[in-house]
Amino acid sequence: GAVVSQHPSWVICKSGTSVKIECRSLDFQATTMFWYRQFPKQSLMLMATSNEGSKATYEQGVEKDKFLINHASLTLSTLTVTSAHPEDSSFYICSAPAGNLGRHEQFFGPGTRLTVL
Amino acid sequence: TQLLEQSPQFLSIQEGENLTVYCNSSSVFSSLQWYRQEPGEGPVLLVTVVTGGEVKKLKRLTFQFGDARKDSSLHITAAQPGDTGLYLCAGSSYSNSGYALNFGKGTSLLVTP
Repeated sequence: GAVVSQHPSWVICKSGTSVKIECRSLDFQATTMFWYRQFPKQSLMLMATSNEGSKATYEQGVEKDKFLINHASLTLSTLTVTSAHPEDSSFYICSAPAGNLGRHEQFFGPGTRLTVL
Repeated sequence: TQLLEQSPQFLSIQEGENLTVYCNSSSVFSSLQWYRQEPGEGPVLLVTVVTGGEVKKLKRLTFQFGDARKDSSLHITAAQPGDTGLYLCAGSSYSNSGYALNFGKGTSLLVTP
């Protein structure tokens, strides 16, 4: 299957600082990438859809000024959590459509564990 | 957002037992995927079903898509400790964002030796 990487795999930061998370498609190009957040013992919640060359589309309730998304190239999307607070601590996962696009399959990165102190 | 109800949420069984996980919705999906996620890792795609009534087998795992493409089931035969993990179903539907996945809440499976 297609490979998606994320960096960093984990990060600890102080409250009020900003954190950038990278999502890369390693062996394919992705004009669209998705960002999810997952709290402990819960499922994945879609935060936003990242579109190469245009603005991201945010799900209802997700603050676009707090979670900045930049899809700079066909293989890289970044999520920046600005002015992070302890309640932003979570597992952030990105995905990209790949394989048989007609089947709407997505391949996920390994996730980034964010802890805000 | 189209809701997917997954059941059971938690399941603890002994090695060798069989189990079935259900994924139900009132909405029709273009396709439905099953993923398995281990702690601290991203979900890994197990299977995609597209056609109503479709049955797919992956070793001891059998996946079925309902005739109306609104529900699906995952059956594991003779479960092994290596099957332990979070099983997630996800339905694909078109929205303003394009095709996005709506995830069920997941079934946390623990298989003990």
